[in-house]
Amino acid sequence: GENVEQHPSTLSVQEGDSAVIKCTYSDSASNYFPWYKQELGKRPQLIIDIRSNVGEKKDQRIAVTLNKTAKHFSLHITETQPEDSAVYFCAAYYDYKLSFGAGTTVTVRA
Amino acid sequence: KAGVTQTPRYLIKTRGQQVTLSCSPISGHRSVSWYQQTPGQGLQFLFEYFSETQRNKGNFPGRFSGRQFSNSRSEMNVSTLELGDSALYLCASSLSGSGNTIYFGEGSWLTVV
Repeated sequence: GENVEQHPSTLSVQEGDSAVIKCTYSDSASNYFPWYKQELGKRPQLIIDIRSNVGEKKDQRIAVTLNKTAKHFSLHITETQPEDSAVYFCAAYYDYKLSFGAGTTVTVRA
Repeated sequence: KAGVTQTPRYLIKTRGQQVTLSCSPISGHRSVSWYQQTPGQGLQFLFEYFSETQRNKGNFPGRFSGRQFSNSRSEMNVSTLELGDSALYLCASSLSGSGNTIYFGEGSWLTVV
């Protein structure tokens, strides 16, 4: 089955700096790659997603890149703010299911 | 437009009991999937339903079961509860499940004592 690895597990950045989270997946049949942000005690909230026929997507301060050949995708957050502090999960979708990475705890220092 | 609605939000059960969790998807969404979230195992897929048919099932024991109704609402059941079943159970919905955007509900927090 699909295996998604996510790095780093924790990330501390200064407010205003950029944060980058990287994920790799194993099944080349995976065709949809969402990123979720989860704050303590709350549900995972979709922040951006990318499909396998697209290499890059941007939404304001958030961007995602996908390299299908290497089977990896990355989340980039620019100009980080304290409210960006949360756990971020990458996921790969295939055969009607999402396989998640283990999560990255992002802390934005004021 | 209402989001994914899960009930109950919080519950405490005793070992050996069973529990039923309910999920109402976003209006118009016909695919419903369930995930278990624990600190140790992370987010794990339980099962997915579309038009009352289970299309995929995760690696969980037979104590975990689910179903979907004709109005796309879904329930999952866990029988003979174990302490390790304590988790956040998340329901997610999408239009058809074929790579459509997937939205999560607030989850049902289950504690087994």
